[in-house]
Order: sequence, then C-alpha cells, then structure tokens
Amino acid sequence: AQSVTQPDIHITVSEGASLELRCNYSYGATPYLFWYVQSPGQGLQLLLKYFSGDTLVQGIKGFEAEFKRSQSSFNLRKPSVHWSDAAEYFCAVEPTYTRGAQKLVFGQGTRLTINP
Amino acid sequence: GAVVSQHPSWVICKSGTSVKIECRSLDFQATTMFWYRQFPKQSLMLMATSNEGSKATYEQGVEKDKFLINHASLTLSTLTVTSAHPEDSSFYICSARGGGYEQYFGPGTRLTVT
Repeated sequence: AQSVTQPDIHITVSEGASLELRCNYSYGATPYLFWYVQSPGQGLQLLLKYFSGDTLVQGIKGFEAEFKRSQSSFNLRKPSVHWSDAAEYFCAVEPTYTRGAQKLVFGQGTRLTINP
Repeated sequence: GAVVSQHPSWVICKSGTSVKIECRSLDFQATTMFWYRQFPKQSLMLMATSNEGSKATYEQGVEKDKFLINHASLTLSTLTVTSAHPEDSSFYICSARGGGYEQYFGPGTRLTVT
C-alpha cells in the first residue's frame, strides 16, 4: 500500500547532539517530499522540500534532508540540536498522481524531546 | 512570512449542535485552502480541498453533509461540523496556498463534543 512511514514515534536527544529523523515512503514514482515541524499552539511550518535535483536539501533552522531513491527515504538531519527544536516533526509527500492538486500525505510524526 | 489564522482556537459544544470554524489568510490571497483532521498523537489527514468560489472536493470517506466547507472569498474558508457527535472531537487544521506552491498552516482548532 502507498504510505509514508516515520518509524520513530518519539526520540530524545541531548542538547548539542546530532539528530536524524527517519522517513520512508512507498510510492511507485518519486513524490514531492516535505518535512514540517509542529510546535504547540502554532501551525505546521515547512522546514524543507525536495522536488528534484540535488539530493541534499538545505532548510531553515539549520536542518537538512537527504533524498535516497534506492532506499525510498528522505531523512531529516541537524548537526547540533537546540532546546527550541523540541516539537513534533512530520514527513509528508505529494504523490505524483495528485500533482497539481497539492494533496499532502503525512507520516505519523516523530516527537522530539531535548534533554538539557 | 504568510500567516493563516483559525478561529476559535478551541471550542466545546453539545452533541447535536453545529460548530463553525474559520480559516483566514491574513496577508495573502488564498486560491486554495485545505482542511485536515488530526487525532491525538496521530498524523494529519486531509479532509477536503476548496478553491475560492467553487464547491469543495472531499476525500474518500469524508461526509460532505457532515463537514460543510465554504470558501467564499480569497481570504476566508469555513468548516461547519453539523450535528456534531463525540466522535467528531478532534483537532482541525486548515492550510492555505496563494500563488506559489507552499501551503501555510493555521494553528488549529480543538473541538470537543460532549
């Protein structure tokens, strides 16, 4: 079945440590790929997106993500997390068959906790 | 950046009543607005897509007579949950898209039906 999977429901890292959040998708053709962050009381904010081209994508707040076609993955990384990065992170895709309609399919989300 | 607001941020209503949730794009014109539903500790699920001046397009399994969507202007879309029941309790999130590609999300509305 076509889906977006974030294997880690909850991750805890220490402040200053590196971070990697996993995202895998199962679609026949490579969809558009997105990472969003959701903080309490705030709307989802786009961190970065991949449409095509360079497989390493730079986003806001020091985040980056790497698209790996062979692994159907789009993992989010940050070299050194800050306490303010604690939030819920969602991977999302726009399947090719809905392209133009911008219908996003979201993963289950990963809650990030930062230890001081 | 573009800002999307939702009102109210939370609402409690009695079973059988109707509730209206507003979604506004504050500093841009939204040609398309999207409504999502998010259950606790779960992902967002797209309910419907609306274009200004047109009827909304509902996703499979979403009751259009239960969830009425009106996109009357380029800055306002409303979601009305009719004859609400406890199972309609959820977090409802809207997003809006202007001329570009990015969707901008509102902060969400928590609906509790008692």
